[in-house]
Amino acid sequence: DAGVIQSPRHEVTEMGQEVTLRCKPISGHDYLFWYRQTMMRGLELLIYFNNNVPIDDSGMPEDRFSAKMPNASFSTLKIQPSEPRDSAVYFCASSSGPVNTEAFFGQGTRLTVV
Amino acid sequence: GQQLNQSPQSMFIQEGEDVSMNCTSSSIFNTWLWYKQDPGEGPVLLIALYKAGELTSNGRLTAQFGITRKDSFLNISASIPSDVGIYFCAGQLYSGGGADGLTFGKGTHLIIQP
Repeated sequence: DAGVIQSPRHEVTEMGQEVTLRCKPISGHDYLFWYRQTMMRGLELLIYFNNNVPIDDSGMPEDRFSAKMPNASFSTLKIQPSEPRDSAVYFCASSSGPVNTEAFFGQGTRLTVV
Repeated sequence: GQQLNQSPQSMFIQEGEDVSMNCTSSSIFNTWLWYKQDPGEGPVLLIALYKAGELTSNGRLTAQFGITRKDSFLNISASIPSDVGIYFCAGQLYSGGGADGLTFGKGTHLIIQP
């Protein structure tokens, strides 16, 4: 398996624009997680899905952020409108179960909002 | 929410030295994980711990799940240049009603001087 695949690797956008980040989890993994990494706050969980259903979105910063998982092999994280403080590296991770399993991370999308 | 305190923040060591880092939590976890992150990449799992008191090795790496379930340490023996990177501890809580995503420490930045 190719692992968790994220696109794009880098995204530079202007403030106010819509940004969509994409993730393809490892085949057969039922759990998908979106994390954000910044120097100040480290790695933070934004939202996670189980069998395509959002389970916990308490980490989503505000209504400008939304995530979907239309099927088992694809998820998106959307920011609309984007702001400079959204600049960060966004990671997607997947795992095969909630307990006694390990999450595998993608390479991340580095987002810069100018 | 759960807080993880990881120390030290950074380490400057000589090649061949042993390394020790640890994490403590304000609450218990069911699982402790240790990840390494290289520049421009996502975190990669090094060791997973599932039982209080468990001691697990992976090559030159050894990690332990504290008896109180609120702490864990990672040791690296005989460090080599490729050990350079940022090491993260992560905890996960499973409460029967479902699992939380991972809570990460702020990381230990390991720098090796030749």
